[in-house]
Amino acid sequence: DGGITQSPKYLFRKEGQNVTLSCEQNLNHDAMYWYRQDPGQGLRLIYYSQIVNDFQKGDIAEGYSVSREKKESFPLTVTSAQKNPTAFYLCASSMRQGGWEQYFGPGTRLTVT
Amino acid sequence: KNQVEQSPQSLIILEGKNCTLQCNYTVSPFSNLRWYKQDTGRGPVSLTIMTFSENTKSNGRYTATLDADTKQSSLHITASQLSDSASYICVVSGDSGGSTLGRLYFGRGTQLTVWP
Repeated sequence: DGGITQSPKYLFRKEGQNVTLSCEQNLNHDAMYWYRQDPGQGLRLIYYSQIVNDFQKGDIAEGYSVSREKKESFPLTVTSAQKNPTAFYLCASSMRQGGWEQYFGPGTRLTVT
Repeated sequence: KNQVEQSPQSLIILEGKNCTLQCNYTVSPFSNLRWYKQDTGRGPVSLTIMTFSENTKSNGRYTATLDADTKQSSLHITASQLSDSASYICVVSGDSGGSTLGRLYFGRGTQLTVWP
């Protein structure tokens, strides 16, 4: 069953703690992305990666870090430096064929108190 | 400034009725426009994708139109069902020359509620 998986679906953390969100895809897509979604806002790009061992900052990268050690995996770490980490986080992947159309995972809702 | 504006912000219709959602954009250069459906608490799912040369594209009860001259798109939903209740997001891709992924610009979405 192909697709993109994100885990966990819900995550709770105390302020000051780092937390890592998982994103895995078995679509053999080259590119992967992380977005943040807040109520009433459009999706905002955090980081993206076009190939293994390479990634680029998006519009709101401050307080976040990523790695791309494997083609299938693109974990996102929300650090304690992120001022407002509570949000819905979406991972996506795409490939050149098909015009880089993005396929989204089910999302992780992070709540930091 | 590259922007994507959607209207209305929210919409309530009765089951079985039709509706049309609007998307205006200022993204230039333009590569393609996509409509996504996002159920509450879930990831967006693609409905249609249209390039510059396409005027209309259908996916079941969903029909999208594109006027690249006026930079407007619409999503028409026919014979609405309760399961159509969701947020509908317009996404415009900026042209990167095709060699690398294009920059995506997201609208804030239209929240559609279908009542029985």
